[in-house]
Amino acid sequence: GAVVSQHPSRVICKSGTSVKIECRSLDFQATTMFWYRQFPKQSLMLMATSNEGSKATYEQGVEKDKFLINHASLTLSTLTVTSAHPEDSSFYICSARRDQVETQYFGPGTRLLVL
Amino acid sequence: DQQVKQNSPSLSVQEGRISILNCDYTNSMFDYFLWYKKYPAEGPTFLISISSIKDKNEDGRFTVFLNKSAKHLSLHIVPSQPGDSAVYFCAASTGNQFYFGTGTSLTVIP
Repeated sequence: GAVVSQHPSRVICKSGTSVKIECRSLDFQATTMFWYRQFPKQSLMLMATSNEGSKATYEQGVEKDKFLINHASLTLSTLTVTSAHPEDSSFYICSARRDQVETQYFGPGTRLLVL
Repeated sequence: DQQVKQNSPSLSVQEGRISILNCDYTNSMFDYFLWYKKYPAEGPTFLISISSIKDKNEDGRFTVFLNKSAKHLSLHIVPSQPGDSAVYFCAASTGNQFYFGTGTSLTVIP
């Protein structure tokens, strides 16, 4: 199967600090990775799409300077929430897609709580 | 504008019976459709998919039906089991763009 991991699974931080979330495809090379955010009882909201070696494409309304995405290798993408605010508290989920394969495989998610 | 819609936010089914989850879409350019299952505080798990050139795909207890003329797809789970209780998302894709529905919460009653 295709396994995607995320680290950390849960993080609590103080307002104003930055938090980095890692997304790794463990048994395949992911040419494209996606970052989603989910609020309680709501659907997944796509934040950005990242292709290895190029800049991420952000969805409308998502601040690229606040949510820094780096897709440095075919197995790793990182999301950094800079200067975190309590309203950034959410469940962040990444997914990865192999080249020429339609299916996205999701990570287990990261619960972020900003105090 | 929501391109993929799941109009039923919740569904309850008796164990052993069939669960039918529905999904409608508006973009005729979608060429691939997927269903995901999601438990609280976990990432979605891929269940089953179907290409737009097919009208049915079956995998064990799960069958997805696609009606392109109606722009409608459905997921059938039979027989339903209590462990199937979760939120189910349908998704549609074209190229690199994925669109998710808002999810249907399925409860299978023992």
